[in-house]
Amino acid sequence: GEDVEQSLFLSVREGDSSVINCTYTDSSSTYLYWYKQEPGAGLQLLTYIFSNMDMKQDQRLTVLLNKKDKHLSLRIADTQTGDSAIYFCAETAGFQKLVFGTGTRLLVSP
Amino acid sequence: NAGVTQTPKFRILKIGQSMTLQCAQDMNHNYMYWYRQDPGMGLKLIYYSVGAGITDKGEVPNGYNVSRSTTEDFPLRLELAAPSQTSVYFCATRRAGDSNEQFFGPGTRLTVL
Repeated sequence: GEDVEQSLFLSVREGDSSVINCTYTDSSSTYLYWYKQEPGAGLQLLTYIFSNMDMKQDQRLTVLLNKKDKHLSLRIADTQTGDSAIYFCAETAGFQKLVFGTGTRLLVSP
Repeated sequence: NAGVTQTPKFRILKIGQSMTLQCAQDMNHNYMYWYRQDPGMGLKLIYYSVGAGITDKGEVPNGYNVSRSTTEDFPLRLELAAPSQTSVYFCATRRAGDSNEQFFGPGTRLTVL
């Protein structure tokens, strides 16, 4: 079955880079996603990567995909206090559904 | 456009009570989903719908029911509330297409005492 794993917590200083890691199990996933959840809010899509890509860059965000190891990472450059949130990776599960990881809480200190 | 709206924002229920969590969308998306998020955990899929009149079970459907009579609305019903149903409930939608991007509502925080 599908299972998506993430480390629970990451703490960085403002201005540093953050790297959030994720491992997934379904090698047939077409897309892999990063969602952001701010306190008291729903999830918002940050970025996604198609499974035939190794890397995607979107402003301060870089997504790396290692299909062989089923490893996905999200790098946030020049991390700001406003980036403090919970970050979820997710993989497609069949045609209609997503499977979410447990989330990584990012804390950015000044 | 309001996007995905959920009501109520908060609710406290007693064991055995019933309630309906409302979800509405104005994006004309075919797909709608209900998730629950327990503290420190990821999202678990309760039910989903691929269009009006069609619903299907997700990972954790026990204790819940849904209906989808219109494209816009996807209510989630709890018939006999139990403490294990204390959670934050999120509704999400998706348009048809390849990317599978889902759009989330703000959530309903439910406590069962």
